[in-house]
Amino acid sequence: GQSLEQPSEVTAVEGAIVQINCTYQTSGFYGLSWYQQHDGGAPTFLSYNALDGLEETGRFSSFLSRSDSYGYLLLQELQMKDSASYFCAALFQKLVFGTGTRLLVSP
Amino acid sequence: NAGVMQNPRHLVRRRGQEARLRCSPMKGHSHVYWYRQLPEEGLKFMVYLQKENIIDESGMPKERFSAEFPKEGPSILRIQQVVRGDSAAYFCASSPTGGATGANVLTFGAGSRLTVL
Repeated sequence: GQSLEQPSEVTAVEGAIVQINCTYQTSGFYGLSWYQQHDGGAPTFLSYNALDGLEETGRFSSFLSRSDSYGYLLLQELQMKDSASYFCAALFQKLVFGTGTRLLVSP
Repeated sequence: NAGVMQNPRHLVRRRGQEARLRCSPMKGHSHVYWYRQLPEEGLKFMVYLQKENIIDESGMPKERFSAEFPKEGPSILRIQQVVRGDSAAYFCASSPTGGATGANVLTFGAGSRLTVL
């Protein structure tokens, strides 16, 4: 089957760095995406890794290692507005989403 | 340049009624995806459509649920004889093309929240 596991919740303080992991038991996908979703809001695209390695987009970076069946999203210089749920998603013909991680940023 | 438009934003139905959820993709996008999200849970894939074609409906329940994306007009997700377990947020997303070069970045609508009494 296609399953992507994430920690259910992560807490951090403003200004800190946090890493949200995504481990998967699937294969044959094109790449790994990351989406952010605020409570009551729509998921919004953050980053995509087609190849192994690190992709950097401002304060957010994403990493993929197919050999380790593992990826992560790195958020730097955390802000209160980063409190949200974060989902990894494997791209086949469609996106298959992970279980999601709720990030709580405190002052 | 309007994004993905979904309506209604909120819909209340009694058990046994029908629910119709509409999705207009972004201008220039011809690929539409529907996802369901239960409270505090992730997004579950339901169906992937192109104009007049269902590409992948592996996530659709076998009964009561159907989807279409006609040549003209919005995509519609239809739920017949709703039950309480259908209460969820239904998100539509679109992309200009499919596969590795299109579906890697999906634009989501604000969602339709269905409540079944």
